[in-house]
Amino acid sequence: ETGVTQSPTHLIKTRGQQVTLRCSSQSGHNTVSWYQQALGQGPQFIFQYYREEENGRGNFPPRFSGLQFPNYSSELNVNALELDDSALYLCASSDGLINSPLHFGNGTRLTVT
Amino acid sequence: GENVGLHLPTLSVQEGDNSIINCAYSNSASDYFIWYKQESGKGPQFIIDIRSNMDKRQGQRVTVLLNKTVKHLSLQIAATQPGDSAVYFCAEKDELTGGGNKLTFGTGTQLKVEL
Repeated sequence: ETGVTQSPTHLIKTRGQQVTLRCSSQSGHNTVSWYQQALGQGPQFIFQYYREEENGRGNFPPRFSGLQFPNYSSELNVNALELDDSALYLCASSDGLINSPLHFGNGTRLTVT
Repeated sequence: GENVGLHLPTLSVQEGDNSIINCAYSNSASDYFIWYKQESGKGPQFIIDIRSNMDKRQGQRVTVLLNKTVKHLSLQIAATQPGDSAVYFCAEKDELTGGGNKLTFGTGTQLKVEL
């Protein structure tokens, strides 16, 4: 069973640029969520996708957007990067059943300079 | 807003001792809770979960206790090992209006195991 994989592992961007992060969900999982984790803090929910539709969103501005593909892989796009966007971005997948745990990837470390 | 918090930011224990990590939650409507372990440079790793209709659940060397009356969770690790050194997060599941759900995490507890 393949776990959640994310790419790239590290990324450096300049303020104002755009970035795309990618995630392959665990085999058999149809639900993908993205979280932002600032240094020394717990992950913060960005949004969730179920069968290619966004079905939940946290307190993040519209410049954070996403996609889920028919194979349930997903992308997180961030436009007009700001310095405060520097964080670890985590993707998590689940099987969509009630009270199933999320399984996380190892994240993409984004640094905005 | 609702949040999940931890009482102690750092916990140091001797190898072989038992560890207890505590967590307070504020959303009384939450019906599902998870403990995660996060090692440096890695994503959160699922340890154990518990539903609100249970008070206790045991796994391999770990036990989670849920006290709904005072909205408190704890994670007990038996015979703590050096490999248990990590940051531990509790998380509660919150339902969203769009039909999805999210996890609300606390800031974490750093567990340090001393030889």
